[in-house]
Amino acid sequence: GAVVSQHPSRVICKSGTSVKIECRSLDFQATTMFWYRQFPKKSLMLMATSNEGSKATYEQGVEKDKFLINHASLTLSTLTVTSAHPEDSSFYICSARSLAGGPGNEQFFGPGTRLTVL
Amino acid sequence: GEDVEQSLFLSVREGDSSVINCTYTDSSSTYLYWYKQEPGAGLQLLTYIFSNMDMKQDQRLTVLLNKKDKHLSLRIADTQTGDSAIYFCAERADNNDMRFGAGTRLTVKP
Repeated sequence: GAVVSQHPSRVICKSGTSVKIECRSLDFQATTMFWYRQFPKKSLMLMATSNEGSKATYEQGVEKDKFLINHASLTLSTLTVTSAHPEDSSFYICSARSLAGGPGNEQFFGPGTRLTVL
Repeated sequence: GEDVEQSLFLSVREGDSSVINCTYTDSSSTYLYWYKQEPGAGLQLLTYIFSNMDMKQDQRLTVLLNKKDKHLSLRIADTQTGDSAIYFCAERADNNDMRFGAGTRLTVKP
């Protein structure tokens, strides 16, 4: 099946610093990548949708200047959490939709990145 | 807005069947999915069903879809300890937006 990787898997940073998370589709081209945030005992919250070569579309309530998304190629999207605060601590998951589309055009998920802001 | 709802917890004994239920509200959903999330990991697609189907079976997994009631279920036969995880139901609407339930944490006791 299609593989999506995320790097790093865990990151701890100081308050006020910026953190970049990479999401890569390893064996397919992804026209669209999604960034989610997962809170304990809650569902995935879609933060933004990014299409290769264009600006990301952010969901309501998500600050685009704080969560910078770049989808520079068909296999790479990055999420940068700028001026991180402890409340940004969370599990961030990316997913990618294949250019070819699966049977249901489903999304393939990365393993997630655990961000802890001290 | 439309929500996908699941109960948060399910506990079964090893060898029993598990049934995880989900309700959704968007009648235009084209595909419905079940994902599995193991601790500290991302979501793994388990199975999916097209909205014009009632049932899909894949080894130990059986998906039932009642489109009239907007109810989706996942049955895991002969549940094993390795099946302990969080199971998410998700729907894909016409516009390709995907909505997830909150996830059901399945605990399998030996």
